[in-house]
Amino acid sequence: LAKTTQPISMDSYEGQEVNITCSHNNIATNDYITWYQQFPSQGPRFIIQGYKTKVTNEVASLFIPADRKSSTLSLPRVSLSDTAVYYCLVGVGSGNTGKLIFGQGTTLQVKP
Amino acid sequence: SQTIHQWPATLVQPVGSPLSLECTVEGTSNPNLYWYRQAAGRGLQLLFYSVGIGQISSEVPQNLSASRPQDRQFILSSKKLLLSDSGFYLCAWSVGGTNEKLFFGSGTQLSVL
Repeated sequence: LAKTTQPISMDSYEGQEVNITCSHNNIATNDYITWYQQFPSQGPRFIIQGYKTKVTNEVASLFIPADRKSSTLSLPRVSLSDTAVYYCLVGVGSGNTGKLIFGQGTTLQVKP
Repeated sequence: SQTIHQWPATLVQPVGSPLSLECTVEGTSNPNLYWYRQAAGRGLQLLFYSVGIGQISSEVPQNLSASRPQDRQFILSSKKLLLSDSGFYLCAWSVGGTNEKLFFGSGTQLSVL
């Protein structure tokens, strides 16, 4: 099971681009990388998922280098409402084992 | 579309009392089901997961148990609550596979006093 490592916290200002990097050195060949956002007293919400290179949706971009041992979530022009905890989750590889373990996450504080 | 229901939203229970939290999923078949717990200011701790009816895997030894009596129903129980059982309990589902995505319920805030 791939273990993930993220910075505990980050600060930013409104309008800036924020990049949060996650390390997953033991990622397996079939693992996908998924990012979630969690606000206080709510369940995490899916943001973006990727396998390699770059993925972009209406919320964020996900950059994955060729070795796939890390990934970077990029949030363009953050606002105060982007203040939340962001989790990087790496799948359990082939098969349907169902075991999905979250790391500690990164608390992003966006300031005015 | 798929929806997940989790109740109650908040619960205050005395130490030593029983617990039953229920979670149901609509709009999908044979989902993977999960129970996570989040202590105040902490990350998500995986408690139980299930890939099918009657198939329960436990991640953390404790006084909690889980059951899956139906395909889309997942129940978290305890016979006697401890103070340390306080926390935010989240149910989630996924369709499984290597690129599975988790969809969470709204959570239950449990306070054991």
